[in-house]
Parts: sequence; structure tokens; C-alpha cells
Amino acid sequence: GAVVSQHPSRVICKSGTSVKIECRSLDFQATTMFWYRQFPKQSLMLMATSNEGSKATYEQGVEKDKFLINHASLTLSTLTVTSAHPEDSSFYICSAETADTSGRTDTQYFGPGTRLTVL
Amino acid sequence: DQQVKQNSPSLSVQEGRISILNCDYTNSMFDYFLWYKKYPAEGPTFLISISSIKDKNEDGRFTVFLNKSAKHLSLHIVPSQPGDSAVYFCAAAYNQGGKLIFGQGTELSVKP
Repeated sequence: GAVVSQHPSRVICKSGTSVKIECRSLDFQATTMFWYRQFPKQSLMLMATSNEGSKATYEQGVEKDKFLINHASLTLSTLTVTSAHPEDSSFYICSAETADTSGRTDTQYFGPGTRLTVL
Repeated sequence: DQQVKQNSPSLSVQEGRISILNCDYTNSMFDYFLWYKKYPAEGPTFLISISSIKDKNEDGRFTVFLNKSAKHLSLHIVPSQPGDSAVYFCAAAYNQGGKLIFGQGTELSVKP
């Protein structure tokens, strides 16, 4: 159980275009989803926290108008990189969190990531 | 400001020996710590966690030790296996839910 999928796994786009990345929890309902990005040889950096039906909370330094997050259901969150530029090239990873039957929040389960390359 | 630090970018260990991965943190408000394993081009996989009320948690070959006074945690893998070769990230959280602050990762190589 606790499988998180991401689509696409890899995307190459031209500078100035927008790219949408989907994150789905396949066998559980995610109360919260998180979006991270990772540059080569560096740590995973949290970009934003997303709760279903409400606006995402962005980390300091992350442009909310550039990285649009929509959390339409308890199993789907999307990240749209608008007007992408080469410096947005990175590995984007989502994670999903759920609560167990006692209401205690569970560990985050990560998706496989999406490699974005902006030419 | 790096609140969670893994100062060793890489570690090489012989198969069958113990691997010790270290992690330091600066924020005493962190209440929950986790270790993740990551292969290239994949998302992290949860390994083991520990609450700040404990100083040790064991799961099979993996043991995490927490030293709150030193703000230090470590992951012990024994015996190490070639399949353990991956990048290991430690992460900290203010509680068992919520956002994770990751270290930079340590690349473990277990040689046959």
C-alpha cells in the first residue's frame, strides 16, 4: 500500500511554455501533499504544502505565480510550472501524507519524481 | 541556513560490515526524525524514523540513534549489503505530520 505516482516521469519543453505535473495517491486518500525539487547532488527542498480544497502554502522564496499548485481531490495534486525557463530544470518530487485510523498522521510517501528539462 | 546537515557526501563500506551514516541538526524544536533511501531518478523511500522521546529505534538491519543533547542522529546498517548502495537522506520535522527538512544526503557504496 501507500503508492504515489507522478506523471510524466520526464518532460522536455521549450523556454516560455508551461508544464503540468500530476501527483496521485493510488491506494489511499492524502490529507496533505507536498512538492519538492532537487538539484543534482543537493537536498530535497520543500516548495509548497497542499491541502485538498484550499490554497497551497508556499515556502519562502518560491514564486506562487510561477509554480501553480492545484489540489482538487484527496488523491490528486498538480504542479504547473508556468513560463518555464532553463533555470527551472530540476527533479520535482511530490509526497503524500495520510492519517491512520487513530487520526495520527502518517509518514510521507514519495512519488518517483519528474525530471524537467527546459531548453 | 541548513538546519539539517549531513557532512559526509559519500561513504564506502565493505559488504558485511557496518555502515554508519551521520546527521546533525540545529533546531531543538524538531520532534521527529526520519531516514530515507533514494536511488537516482526515483523518489525517496522511507526507511526508519524516531521520535524525540526515544534515543533508539531498530528495524531489522537498520537502527537509528538519537542524541538530543548533541543534536545528532545516526543510521546504522548491519550487515551492509550491495543492495544498500544508494543516497541516504535524513529529515527532521516539528511533529509526526507536516513538512520535512532534509539533509544534503550521503551516498553509500557497499562493495562486494
